[in-house]
Amino acid sequence: SQKIEQNSEALNIQEGKTATLTCNYTNYSPAYLQWYRQDPGRGPVFLLLIRENEKEKRKERLKVTFDTTLKQSLFHITASQPADSATYLCALSYSSASKIIFGSGTRLSIRP
Amino acid sequence: DTGVSQDPRHKITKRGQNVTFRCDPISEHNRLYWYRQTLGQGPEFLTYFQNEAQLEKSRLLSDRFSAERPKGSFSTLEIQRTEQGDSAMYLCASSPTRAPYNEQFFGPGTRLTVL
Repeated sequence: SQKIEQNSEALNIQEGKTATLTCNYTNYSPAYLQWYRQDPGRGPVFLLLIRENEKEKRKERLKVTFDTTLKQSLFHITASQPADSATYLCALSYSSASKIIFGSGTRLSIRP
Repeated sequence: DTGVSQDPRHKITKRGQNVTFRCDPISEHNRLYWYRQTLGQGPEFLTYFQNEAQLEKSRLLSDRFSAERPKGSFSTLEIQRTEQGDSAMYLCASSPTRAPYNEQFFGPGTRLTVL
C-alpha cells in the first residue's frame, strides 16, 4: 500500500528564512499531490496542488516541487513569518475522483 | 459562513454507547469525505460519498461504523458500541466535482472521547 513519509521531527526556522518541508512516497506516483496547513484543534486548510506532469507550482510565498523520479515533493515557504507556524500535511491521490491519502505532517515553528 | 460545519464539536461518551456525528458540506459540493485523526497523525480516510452514493469505504472501518448521506446533502457518521480506541478527531470534508483536482474543504471536526 502507498506510504507517505514526512519529517516527524519539528522544524524550527528563524523568521525571514526559507522553510523547506519534504514529502516522500513509495510505490506509484500519484496524479495529484497536495499540501495542507493545519493549526491545533482545527481542520486542515488547502494550500497548493501540483499534478504529476508539473515540476513546480507557486502561490505568493509558497512553492511546491514534484519529482516523480525521486518520488518526492518539496514545500517551500520563503520569507517565513511566525504566523506560518503550523503543521503542514502532504497528501496524494491517484485521480480526481479517488480518496486522498495524507502523511503524518511536519510541525513548523518560526521564531522571531 | 458557508464553510463545512460539523456537529457536535465535542462528544464524551462511555464505552459501549452509540454516537452519531453530523456534517453539513458546502452547499454546491457533490463530494463528501469522512476522516479520523489521532494526535500526531495525518487524517486517515474512512469513507467517501458522491451525492448520496457511498463510493468507497476504508477496509480499516469496522462494522461498527456506518455513514449515510441521504438526498446528497448532509451526512451522518455513526459509531456503535464505542471503544476507547475510537477516541479521535473526526473530520468531514467536501469538494466540488467541477474542480478536477479534488481540493478538499475541511470542517472544524468533532472530537470524540470514549471513557
